[in-house]
Amino acid sequence: LAKTTQPISMDSYEGQEVNITCSHNNIATNDYITWYQQFPSQGPRFIIQGYKTKVTNEVASLFIPADRKSSTLSLPRVSLSDTAVYYCLVGDIGGATNKLIFGTGTLLAVQP
Amino acid sequence: SAVISQKPSRDICQRGTSLTIQCQVDSQVTMMFWYRQQPGQSLTLIATANQGSEATYESGFVIDKFPISRPNLTFSTLTVSNMSPEDSSIYLCSVRPLGGQKAFFGQGTRLTVV
Repeated sequence: LAKTTQPISMDSYEGQEVNITCSHNNIATNDYITWYQQFPSQGPRFIIQGYKTKVTNEVASLFIPADRKSSTLSLPRVSLSDTAVYYCLVGDIGGATNKLIFGTGTLLAVQP
Repeated sequence: SAVISQKPSRDICQRGTSLTIQCQVDSQVTMMFWYRQQPGQSLTLIATANQGSEATYESGFVIDKFPISRPNLTFSTLTVSNMSPEDSSIYLCSVRPLGGQKAFFGQGTRLTVV
């Protein structure tokens, strides 16, 4: 399971676009990149997953360069309710163990 | 998707006692996972619970301290034994369908040991 590195915290203001970058230099060929969001007193919630290039859903976009050694989660026009911890995970979703190993996460604080 | 119900949602326990946390899923899943989240920290995987076999524990966690039951494909329990204040954490149950894109988590059990 590839180790990930991401900033401990970030600050933003309402309406701004927020980009959180994650480094995963040892990513394996079969690994996918997945982001989870966790609000206080709740379990993590899946946001987005990708393998390469760009993935977009109703919540966020995920940008993955060709070498896949990093990825960037982009949150458009954040609001106060986007204040949460964001976790970047790397692993083989079809792997036998199927387990998720969480890194430190990034605490995003959105201010008015 | 999967909906996970954890009980209790919180508890305050005396040191030296044990607490059993229940995790109920609304669909059948092969593997269930138990995590611990200490205050202000990330999630740490305790063990993987497979139906019909012994749980697989991660480094630093042992069966005597965190016995796990998995009697069927929709239910699991985690017991925190002989508790000390250092066991004060949030304990979370998770499931992820094999080959599935998403993992699903319960709301967690907030345990305080006094």
